[in-house]
Amino acid sequence: GAGVSQSPRYKVTKRGQDVALRCDPISGHVSLYWYRQALGQGPEFLTYFNYEAQQDKSGLPNDRFSAERPEGSISTLTIQRTEQRDSAMYRCASSGRTGAAYEQYFGPGTRLTVT
Amino acid sequence: QQQVKQSPQSLIVQKGGIPIINCAYENTAFDYFPWYQQFPGKGPALLIAIRPDVSEKKEGRFTISFNKSAKQFSLHIMDSQPGDSATYFCGQGGSEKLVFGKGTKLTVNP
Repeated sequence: GAGVSQSPRYKVTKRGQDVALRCDPISGHVSLYWYRQALGQGPEFLTYFNYEAQQDKSGLPNDRFSAERPEGSISTLTIQRTEQRDSAMYRCASSGRTGAAYEQYFGPGTRLTVT
Repeated sequence: QQQVKQSPQSLIVQKGGIPIINCAYENTAFDYFPWYQQFPGKGPALLIAIRPDVSEKKEGRFTISFNKSAKQFSLHIMDSQPGDSATYFCGQGGSEKLVFGKGTKLTVNP
C-alpha cells in the first residue's frame, strides 16, 4: 500500500514568508508525528496527533510553528515569518492503532530552505 | 531531558564483518527501542525494535541486544553487505514520540 507522503518535497522561501508543509499519512493510521532533521542528525520531535487532537506540541521551537490535523487524516505544519534557522528537513511519520502502535513510518520529508 | 547517546559516529567494515552500534539511554519510563536505517535522500525506515522484557531479538541478519541494568542496547549486523551501507539511528520512546540518537554512518566495503 501507499506509504506516508509529503508535499512539497522541496521548498525554497524568502525570509519572512509563511510556509505550509503537508503530510498525508498511511491510510487508517491514527497517530501522526512531525519531526525536524538537521543534516547529520537524528530526527527531532516537534508535535504529534491522535486523530485530530494535538496531544503534544512540546517540541515546537516557538510560536511561529503550528500544526493541525482537522479531519484526523492529512496534517499541515505551518511556519510563519520564516527565518534562516528554520532551514531543515521536515519529516512526518504515522503509526497504526493496536499491536504496532509504536511503529512509526516516515515519509520522504520536505526540504525547506529559507534564503 | 530524555537523551539517547549513540556510538560510534561512523564505522567502516569489510563485507562479511559484524558491525556493532551502541546506544545508551537515561529515561527508564519508555519501553520501546527501535533501530532505523536511512539511505541518502530517503526517510528513516524501521529496521527492528525491542522491548525491555527480552534481552535479544533477531530479524534476519539484524540483532538487537538489550541490557536493561546497564541501560544500553546495541545493533549487530551479521554477514554485512555493501547494501547495508547507510546511516543507522537508535531510538527510545512509546506511542507518544520517539527520541533518536545522532546516528552512525556505516560503510561496508566490498
